[in-house]
Amino acid sequence: SQQGEEDPQALSIQEGENATMNCSYKTSINNLQWYRQNSGRGLVHLILIRSNEREKHSGRLRVTLDTSKKSSSLLITASRAADTASYFCATPRRNTGNQFYFGTGTSLTVIP
Amino acid sequence: ETGVTQSPTHLIKTRGQQVTLRCSSQSGHNTVSWYQQALGQGPQFIFQYYREEENGRGNFPPRFSGLQFPNYSSELNVNALELDDSALYLCASSLGLQGTETQYFGPGTRLLVL
Repeated sequence: SQQGEEDPQALSIQEGENATMNCSYKTSINNLQWYRQNSGRGLVHLILIRSNEREKHSGRLRVTLDTSKKSSSLLITASRAADTASYFCATPRRNTGNQFYFGTGTSLTVIP
Repeated sequence: ETGVTQSPTHLIKTRGQQVTLRCSSQSGHNTVSWYQQALGQGPQFIFQYYREEENGRGNFPPRFSGLQFPNYSSELNVNALELDDSALYLCASSLGLQGTETQYFGPGTRLLVL
């Protein structure tokens, strides 16, 4: 079963704009991760945020985590056509470290 | 390139047949996890192998089985294929079981069951 839900399901923006995706999850976690997937191929790890962190940056990526609301957001600033992909949040299954529940994903299209 | 390879890239089988998918983990990684991703969905955890032993299983029936070899490569076997088994099968390798260790995914095997 899916642990997380991403919102929106699909997002279309112009190059240079910012893209924000949200993820909600169901159980308590010790970390949350975001992944990117191009054209139904393998997933690429983007960023990990621990449960005691509220915000984390990596290049043009900014992730926030609100454990009280069981939600996270991924912001991509100054988007590029190459950012076109599906984005998934992932949370560890109960009592495991790296066995993950993935959300349903947000499909991002960046128009040149 | 993550260093994780999967074979074959595509496969077509008929209902009731058996299939074996292969994954070579990144050098030095002793943990392999398998995921099933149906079209338009997120990946679902099948099972994980750590140092040649199964270390956790998702909500998949016993006809999904696996192996990990001494070189930490892995196989996923599916018996009595059903139409709903059509999906992208992904493997991910990592060093150890800590959630903070980055997982590296292979490009996947796309299975179509007719």
